[in-house]
Amino acid sequence: DAGVTQSPTHLIKTRGQQVTLRCSPKSGHDTVSWYQQALGQGPQFIFQYYEEEERQRGNFPDRFSGHQFPNYSSELNVNALLLGDSALYLCASSLAVLGYTFGSGTRLTVV
Amino acid sequence: TQLLEQSPQFLSIQEGENLTVYCNSSSVFSSLQWYRQEPGEGPVLLVTVVTGGEVKKLKRLTFQFGDARKDSSLHITAAQPGDTGLYLCAGALPTSGTYKYIFGTGTRLKVLA
Repeated sequence: DAGVTQSPTHLIKTRGQQVTLRCSPKSGHDTVSWYQQALGQGPQFIFQYYEEEERQRGNFPDRFSGHQFPNYSSELNVNALLLGDSALYLCASSLAVLGYTFGSGTRLTVV
Repeated sequence: TQLLEQSPQFLSIQEGENLTVYCNSSSVFSSLQWYRQEPGEGPVLLVTVVTGGEVKKLKRLTFQFGDARKDSSLHITAAQPGDTGLYLCAGALPTSGTYKYIFGTGTRLKVLA
């Protein structure tokens, strides 16, 4: 049973560019959440998708947007990249109260 | 604002010592999870507790959910260098047909050989 799959694993982008990160949830999970984690810090909640709608959003600007597809997979888009967007981006899927299964993350470096 | 406070923030101990990490909130959670994360990797779920007062054991790790479902503790017996990592608690709150998870601030544990 595959867990959460994220792609790509590593990415280098230039300031001002746009990036799309992808996530396939664990089989049977219907909710996908995205987190940003800076080095040495805990994960910061970006947003959550359920039934193809954004249900919750953290304190992130509109440059961060997402989408959930009918097969529950999800994308995170970041526009107008800033140096401060460099981080590990984690996708987590869940079903009800059973907790998250996290992917291994996408390491984004903005230069 | 829902907050989940973890303590201590940092912990450095010798191999063989015992330790306890605490996770406290004023919110009542539907469930609570503990995760362990190593550098460059996503957090890995260790346990989910659902019932107030529930105790779960995973080898040398003992997890307890408070009776009021507002707090939890993680106790490690005879810590080993392999236990080193970032420990995160997270509480589940119902919202908009699903659940959102509030993460604690994390406890960075280092076990010295």
